Amino acid sequence: EVQLVQSGAEVKKPGESLKISCKGSGYSFSNCWVGWVRQVPGKGLEWMGNIYPGDSQTSYSSSFGGHVTISADESLSTAYLQWSSLDASDTAMYYCARRGTSMIAFDIWGQGTLVTVSS
Amino acid sequence: EIVLTQSPGTLFLSPGERATLSCRASQRVGSSYLHWYQQKRGQAPRLLIYATSSRATGIPDRFSGSGSGTDFTLTISRLEPEDFAVYHCQHYGVSLTFGGGTQVEIK
Repeated sequence: EVQLVQSGAEVKKPGESLKISCKGSGYSFSNCWVGWVRQVPGKGLEWMGNIYPGDSQTSYSSSFGGHVTISADESLSTAYLQWSSLDASDTAMYYCARRGTSMIAFDIWGQGTLVTVSS
Repeated sequence: EIVLTQSPGTLFLSPGERATLSCRASQRVGSSYLHWYQQKRGQAPRLLIYATSSRATGIPDRFSGSGSGTDFTLTISRLEPEDFAVYHCQHYGVSLTFGGGTQVEIK
């Protein structure tokens, strides 16, 4: 079964760092783009950026570039989303998603990681 | 960056009725790059329609997509109880964008 499994919920304080993960299985992880999508509670979906695990090429939304870093470890079939300094406005659900092999869309989604930033 | 505007924001319908959801782009988009996702409460989104009109694996044929240029439509021919959810359109280009979503609620 093709799936993406994300790390568990996090509660952090403003200014703290964080790295969440997304592990792929059931397919060739290196050869499919993985994207990260933010959803603030009660709001819509926002694309943050993508990574191609095979060569770690990245593409960021202008809204998020510089505030987050997307990386991947091919050997672990895992993609990461990290912050060096969290802000309360980073409180949201974060999803990873795979770009399909036969279509230019996100065909497989992780279950989501809820990040809460509060003092 | 292409902006996608979905309408209406909320659609109140009864089971068995037809739902028509609109997604309008700020500039022309290629049909291969316009997609629809369904998101049920408390769940991750799932791919519903890709490339304007192709149903994703396991999606029933009551769901259909159409459109071109700047105007795209998702149609649910007869609403089933499990179809009441939020629907998002997406442009997957050099920069990806999502519409604001349409919530389909039970009347």
